[in-house]
Amino acid sequence: EVKLVESGGGLVQPGRSLKLSCAASGFSFNDYWMGWVRQAPGKGLEWIGEINQDSSTINYTPSLKDKFTISRDNAQNTLYLQMSKLGSEDTAIYYCARQLPYYFDYWGQGVMVTVSS
Amino acid sequence: DIRMTQSPASLSASLGETVNIECLASEDIYSDLAWYQQKPGKSPQLLIYNANSLQNGVPSRFSGSGSGTQYSLKINSLQSEDVATYFCQQYNNYPPTFGAGTKLELK
Repeated sequence: EVKLVESGGGLVQPGRSLKLSCAASGFSFNDYWMGWVRQAPGKGLEWIGEINQDSSTINYTPSLKDKFTISRDNAQNTLYLQMSKLGSEDTAIYYCARQLPYYFDYWGQGVMVTVSS
Repeated sequence: DIRMTQSPASLSASLGETVNIECLASEDIYSDLAWYQQKPGKSPQLLIYNANSLQNGVPSRFSGSGSGTQYSLKINSLQSEDVATYFCQQYNNYPPTFGAGTKLELK
C-alpha cells in the first residue's frame, strides 16, 4: 500500500524557517518524481514544486522559488520541503504527492503550517 | 500561468442524478488535464488523467471529456459518497495550475 506521511508542521513566527518531511512507503520511492502542493484554509490548491528521481531536476512555481527548497533522500525514502522567510500568506496545509510525472496519483494526509506571531 | 476556470463554484444535486462540472483553460492544454475529488478534511484523490482516462479503482460512474480549452467531469447516478469538492488541474505548461474547485452537495 502506498503511504505518504508528512511531518514537521506547526506554528511558526513570521520571518522564520521550517522544514517539512514526507516519509514514503509501499512503492519504489527512487523511481518517481515527487511534488509538494499546498492549500490555504478554505481555498484551492497551489503547486509548489517537484523533484525528479535523482534530484537532478527541481522545478518551483516562480513566486516561491526564492523561499522554498525541495530535496529528497532516496536512502531514507523521504522528501523534504525547506521553507524560509515565512509570512502569513504561507499558512496552509502542505501535501506531498507522488507525480506521474505531472499529475498526482497519491497524496499524503497533509500537515498544517500556521505562520503567526 | 494558465488560468483554469471551473463552473459552477457550487452545485446541489439529488441522489441518482447526473452531474456535470466544467473546466475552462485560458489556452489550449492538449488534454493534459486531471480531475481530483477532495472530501471534507481529506487529501485530494485522483479521478481522471489525460482528460478522459479513469484512474484505477475509481468507479465507472465518473468520466472525463473535452479537448482544447474546454473539459468536463461527469458523474452518473450520483451517490452520497460523491459529496466532495472537485478540482481540475492542467499539466501542459509550467507551473501546473488548479481550478478553484466545485463544491458538490446533496439536495
